[in-house]
Amino acid sequence: KAGVTQTPRYLIKTRGQQVTLSCSPISGHRSVSWYQQTPGQGLQFLFEYFSETQRNKGNFPGRFSGRQFSNSRSEMNVSTLELGDSALYLCASSLVARPVHEQYFGPGTRLTVT
Amino acid sequence: DQQVKQNSPSLSVQEGRISILNCDYTNSMFDYFLWYKKYPAEGPTFLISISSIKDKNEDGRFTVFLNKSAKHLSLHIVPSQPGDSAVYFCAASAYRGSNYKLTFGKGTLLTVNP
Repeated sequence: KAGVTQTPRYLIKTRGQQVTLSCSPISGHRSVSWYQQTPGQGLQFLFEYFSETQRNKGNFPGRFSGRQFSNSRSEMNVSTLELGDSALYLCASSLVARPVHEQYFGPGTRLTVT
Repeated sequence: DQQVKQNSPSLSVQEGRISILNCDYTNSMFDYFLWYKKYPAEGPTFLISISSIKDKNEDGRFTVFLNKSAKHLSLHIVPSQPGDSAVYFCAASAYRGSNYKLTFGKGTLLTVNP
C-alpha cells in the first residue's frame, strides 16, 4: 500500500506570494491533518479534514487555509507569505477522524520564503 | 501555552544501554499518548502508544510508561541501537469530546553511539 505523498517536496517563494501544497493520503484514509514543523516550535497542528469538512483547527492566522476533495486528497494554501512561514509542512492521514490513534505522515514539503 | 513538554532537547547514550525519553503534559483532558520517531528528510513514523487506562505498554524493545498523577510519560528503549538515532516526539490527544487534535512536544534528539 502506498504511503502518504506530498508535492512538491521543496519550494522557494518570495514574501507576499501565495503557495499551495498538496497531500494524497493512504488509500482508504479519510482523515487528513496538516502540521507545521519549525526548529523552535516543533510540530504545530494546523487543521484536520474529514469527508471534505474541516473538523478541527489550530491557532494559525487566516492566511492558512485548506480543503479536502471527494477522493480525500487535500491541499493547503498560504497567502501573503511571510519569512516566518518558512518551515516543513507535514501532512498526515488516518483511517478515522476521531479518535486518532495513529497517524501516518508524509515526507513533508520544505517551504522557504525569501 | 505548551501543553506537552519534552524538556530534554537531546540525549546521547551508548549502544546496548537503555535510552529513556521523558515527556510531561499539563492538560488533564489528554487520555491517549503516542510516541513518534523522525529521521531527517522523512515524516514522523508512529512508534508506540498508550491509553490512560494503562500505565505501561510494551512493543519489542520499546516500552512506554504513563504516570497520570504526575502527568508524565516516558519511553524506554532497551537495548539502544545506532539505528534508533532520531528525533522522538511525544504527542497527546483528548479521546473524548468533539475537539480532538494531536498536540506534540518539541522533540528530543536521541543519538546512540556505537
